[in-house]
Amino acid sequence: GEDVEQSLFLSVREGDSSVINCTYTDSSSTYLYWYKQEPGAGLQLLTYIFSNMDMKQDQRLTVLLNKKDKHLSLRIADTQTGDSAIYFCAEMDSNYQLIWGAGTKLIIKP
Amino acid sequence: KAGVTQTPRYLIKTRGQQVTLSCSPISGHRSVSWYQQTPGQGLQFLFEYFSETQRNKGNFPGRFSGRQFSNSRSEMNVSTLELGDSALYLCASSLGLATVGETQYFGPGTRLLVL
Repeated sequence: GEDVEQSLFLSVREGDSSVINCTYTDSSSTYLYWYKQEPGAGLQLLTYIFSNMDMKQDQRLTVLLNKKDKHLSLRIADTQTGDSAIYFCAEMDSNYQLIWGAGTKLIIKP
Repeated sequence: KAGVTQTPRYLIKTRGQQVTLSCSPISGHRSVSWYQQTPGQGLQFLFEYFSETQRNKGNFPGRFSGRQFSNSRSEMNVSTLELGDSALYLCASSLGLATVGETQYFGPGTRLLVL
């Protein structure tokens, strides 16, 4: 079946850029999403990209999509302590079901 | 505009009991989806309701059921609780059917602990 994979942890220094990576297997995915989950909270939609785009920028967030390699990344510029959270990648498959990654925990070092 | 709200936020039950969770979508949203999040299984889709009808269902046993009211509020029920049902249950709302590409907005979740 379809699968979405992410690294479980990423540690970066405050002020540096964070790059969270995600790979997926469904070549006919339609949309790809990044969600943020802070401790004790639900999921917050950060951004999404259509599968026919290769880049989307929104303030400190840059999403890059390499459709050939089925690779999605989220870059957070100037990472702050408030960015500490778990970041989930999700893809909408050809049946319009969301397939989720396990989440990447972003740890900010002072 | 108020976000998605879920009640209760925390719940402790014992095996064999049943539980009902509630979700109020963003005003104007007609679709409500339910997800179960556990450390071992990650996020798993339970079902989606639109206009009071279940439109899509994940691979969960019949102990998990739901319904949607005319004001789009939704409830999820789990009967005969098992220890493995301990999880964070997330509700998400969208304007239209999430399963045709509408973006979903999530509530804070209900954390259920089954003892």
